[in-house]
Amino acid sequence: ETGVTQTPRHLVMGMTNKKSLKCEQHLGHNAMYWYKQSAKKPLELMFVYNFKEQTENNSVPSRFSPECPNSSHLFLHLHTLQPEDSALYLCASSRPTGATNEKLFFGSGTQLSVL
Amino acid sequence: RKEVEQDPGPFNVPEGATVAFNCTYSNSASQSFFWYRQDCRKEPKLLMSVYSSGNEDGRFTAQLNRASQYISLLIRDSKLSDSATYLCVVNSQGLSGSARQLTFGSGTQLTVLP
Repeated sequence: ETGVTQTPRHLVMGMTNKKSLKCEQHLGHNAMYWYKQSAKKPLELMFVYNFKEQTENNSVPSRFSPECPNSSHLFLHLHTLQPEDSALYLCASSRPTGATNEKLFFGSGTQLSVL
Repeated sequence: RKEVEQDPGPFNVPEGATVAFNCTYSNSASQSFFWYRQDCRKEPKLLMSVYSSGNEDGRFTAQLNRASQYISLLIRDSKLSDSATYLCVVNSQGLSGSARQLTFGSGTQLTVLP
């Protein structure tokens, strides 16, 4: 186990549904991330939080809404998604992103299918 | 040009073979470099960091050439359990200009055959 727990592992939702992905880390890290991994594509960074503050938003559509209530928890709220949003969503944590050699620890991911 | 480019693969090698993966990055200001391994349908896991002087961890050797903006990973005496996708990862400046972020290559798939 990496110390980063994601739920649910699998999610199937319709385009009109609202759902949330949850991530929790037990490593004492202060930076948390959401990545998207589509088939045959590299991991795409979506959001970065440092000490609960959002420091990066890589032009992610507003149908994805992150929330970071504290340094240990991260959520990704989903609403009115499109079929092309189907992918593996990975949460990760690290020491604060100001460090030059931070390593990422990933959760197991949520495999999302949008019908 | 992609920020991080890797050999397209896939690599299919027999057990015991030596295999090398290459990676180039475009941002000359990149500070740190890593190789991650990702098994099928699993999350990426850190394999090793890449240091300027080159470093070795058992059967794995990583090299960095800053002048050419090039990283490599060498696997000696391949095992069946080495079959996975190997991701080249580079730490570069984030969009905000202050926060750094890790940029991933597309990965190179390795299959070690019995």
